Amino acid sequence: GENVEQHPSTLSVQEGDSAVIKCTYSDSASNYFPWYKQELGKGPQLIIDIRSNVGEKKDQRIAVTLNKTAKHFSLHITETQPEDSAVYFCAASYDYKLSFGAGTTVTVRA
Amino acid sequence: GAGVSQTPSNKVTEKGKYVELRCDPISGHTALYWYRQSLGQGPEFLIYFQGTGAADDSGLPNDRFFAVRPEGSVSTLKIQRTERGDSAVYLCASSSGGPGTDTQYFGPGTRLTVL
Repeated sequence: GENVEQHPSTLSVQEGDSAVIKCTYSDSASNYFPWYKQELGKGPQLIIDIRSNVGEKKDQRIAVTLNKTAKHFSLHITETQPEDSAVYFCAASYDYKLSFGAGTTVTVRA
Repeated sequence: GAGVSQTPSNKVTEKGKYVELRCDPISGHTALYWYRQSLGQGPEFLIYFQGTGAADDSGLPNDRFFAVRPEGSVSTLKIQRTERGDSAVYLCASSSGGPGTDTQYFGPGTRLTVL
């Protein structure tokens, strides 16, 4: 099955700086890569996703890049704000079953 | 519109007891998923429904776990003879069920604690 690794496990950034989270996947058949944000006591919330037919996608301060050859994808958050503090999960799928990374705890320092 | 809802939000039970966890998907979503999230980890797939039938239950850890979706909307995850290792957050997600891989929307989860 699919195996997704996520780094770093924790990330502390100064407000206004950028944050980058990286994930690798094992199954070359995977073609869908969502990113979720999870706040304490809440369920994961989709923030952006990318499919294998594109290499980059951007939505305001959030961008995701995909390198299918290397089997890795990254989340970029620019101009970080305190409300960006949360746990972020990457996931990969080729059908309906999402395989998640272990998560990155992002702390934005004011 | 309303998102995915799950009840109860918290459930504390004793080892050996039976529990039921309920999920109400987004209206009109034909696909429904259950995941389990242990502390400090990402969600892990348990089961996938397309309509009323379980299309894939390969993630259920053993035969103490069972899930139903009799009318193609609400789903119930049932755990028999609970064990302390079953303690986790159980997440439900739904999607429109269109062709290919489509976006899954998660509920807030049920935190299950087995004493």
